[in-house]
Amino acid sequence: GAGVSQSPSNKVTEKGKDVELRCDPISGHTALYWYRQRLGQGLEFLIYFQGNSAPDKSGLPSDRFSAERTGESVSTLTIQRTQQEDSAVYLCASSPGTANNYGYTFGSGTRLTVV
Amino acid sequence: LAKTTQPISMDSYEGQEVNITCSHNNIATNDYITWYQQFPSQGPRFIIQGYKTKVTNEVASLFIPADRKSSTLSLPRVSLSDTAVYYCLVVLYNTDKLIFGTGTRLQVFP
Repeated sequence: GAGVSQSPSNKVTEKGKDVELRCDPISGHTALYWYRQRLGQGLEFLIYFQGNSAPDKSGLPSDRFSAERTGESVSTLTIQRTQQEDSAVYLCASSPGTANNYGYTFGSGTRLTVV
Repeated sequence: LAKTTQPISMDSYEGQEVNITCSHNNIATNDYITWYQQFPSQGPRFIIQGYKTKVTNEVASLFIPADRKSSTLSLPRVSLSDTAVYYCLVVLYNTDKLIFGTGTRLQVFP
C-alpha cells in the first residue's frame, strides 16, 4: 500500500489477556520500528528491525512485550498478560534505510485500552 | 544522543509566523537536526532536516546558527490546520533509531 498500515485501529481488552498488534510497512522498506505513546506524552521507543539483522529490543519495557517480523514485511507486537499501564497508542513506522537519511513514515497507530 | 529542550506549548493566531526554538547544547559533529509534526490521532510526520545554516521546503524553514547549539523551526503564516505537536530531534548521521521528546504543542487560534 501507499502508507504504513496498522490493525486494529482500536482494541479494548481485559486485564490479563494477550493482544497482538499488526503493522504492514511500506513495500520495500527495510527498517521497521515500534513506539508507544501514552496520552499527552512523547513517543517511547520499543523495538527496531533492520533487514535480517538481530532486532534492537532495548526499548521493550518488560518480558511481557515481544515483536516479530517476517522478512521485510509484516510485523506483530504481542503484549502478554496486559496491564492497565499498557494502555496507550502503539505506533509503527518504516523507513527505506537509516532513519536519519530518509525519515520515518508512521502509521496511524493502534489505540489499546486495557480495562 | 544529544538531549533537546523545547517549549512545552505555544499559542498563535492564523496568518502569523511561528518560530519554535530547540536547544541542543551537546550536539556532536555528526549529528543532524530533524523536526517531526504530529496531528491528533496520527503518527508523526517528517517535516524538515538540516545540519547548518538554513534549510527551506514547502512546509517550513529551519535555521541553525554556526555553533549548532540550537535550531529554530519557522512556520510561515500558520493556519488552524498547523495545530499539532512539533518534535525536535538530534540524530547521529546514519543512525537507526530516533528518540522523541515530549515536543511543543502548537495551538493556532482563528
